[in-house]
Amino acid sequence: SSELTQPPSVSVSPGQTATITCSGDKLGDKYASWYQQKPGQSPVLVIYQDTKRPSGIPERFSGSNSGNTATLTISGTQAMDEGDYYCQAWDSRPAYVFGTGTQVTVL
Amino acid sequence: EVQLVESGGGLVQPGRSLRLSCAASGFTFDDYDMHWVRQAPGKGLEWVSGISWDSDNIDYADSVKGRITISRDNAKNSLFLQMDSLRAEDTALYYCARWDTESADAFDIWGQGTMVTVSS
Repeated sequence: SSELTQPPSVSVSPGQTATITCSGDKLGDKYASWYQQKPGQSPVLVIYQDTKRPSGIPERFSGSNSGNTATLTISGTQAMDEGDYYCQAWDSRPAYVFGTGTQVTVL
Repeated sequence: EVQLVESGGGLVQPGRSLRLSCAASGFTFDDYDMHWVRQAPGKGLEWVSGISWDSDNIDYADSVKGRITISRDNAKNSLFLQMDSLRAEDTALYYCARWDTESADAFDIWGQGTMVTVSS
């Protein structure tokens, strides 16, 4: 079965860069998406097809995907970026896999 | 406004059934595949089931296969999840989510979720 592994937590100072990784077998051969979930709220799509941002998502969010690792980068991190982040990829079985999730704390 | 609104959650005893609904508005419902994703308290996201726009393709996570049935009514812009033989481990917030095949290959719209608690 496919698994996507993320670090449980990432801490970053305001204005600095937060980097969240997502590791999975041959992940670079699939499209990766990233979702932000703030406490008590539903997930929000922040990156799709590895690198693209939906309308309304700030430019400080960027993504990449190669080999076995997809990466979400938040440049100039702000306090409002705190929350949980999940990667997700589409595979053969199970069809839609989410990562283990990363809690981002802005100190 | 594009919106998904789930309903039907509640407290149910182990072994009993529950039917969740998701009402869609603000977009052409039958243009999209739809899914259910759940989140146990304090845990991560888990994909549960998905159905294609025309109901021809349906898939389930192994953890729910044989106990859960997904369906949709395009005329009523609605998605459903029939949950039978419920277990304590099915306790979670259940989200309805739209899968954008054409543009994003991602879950681009999520509902607010409906809570299912399985307990005696």
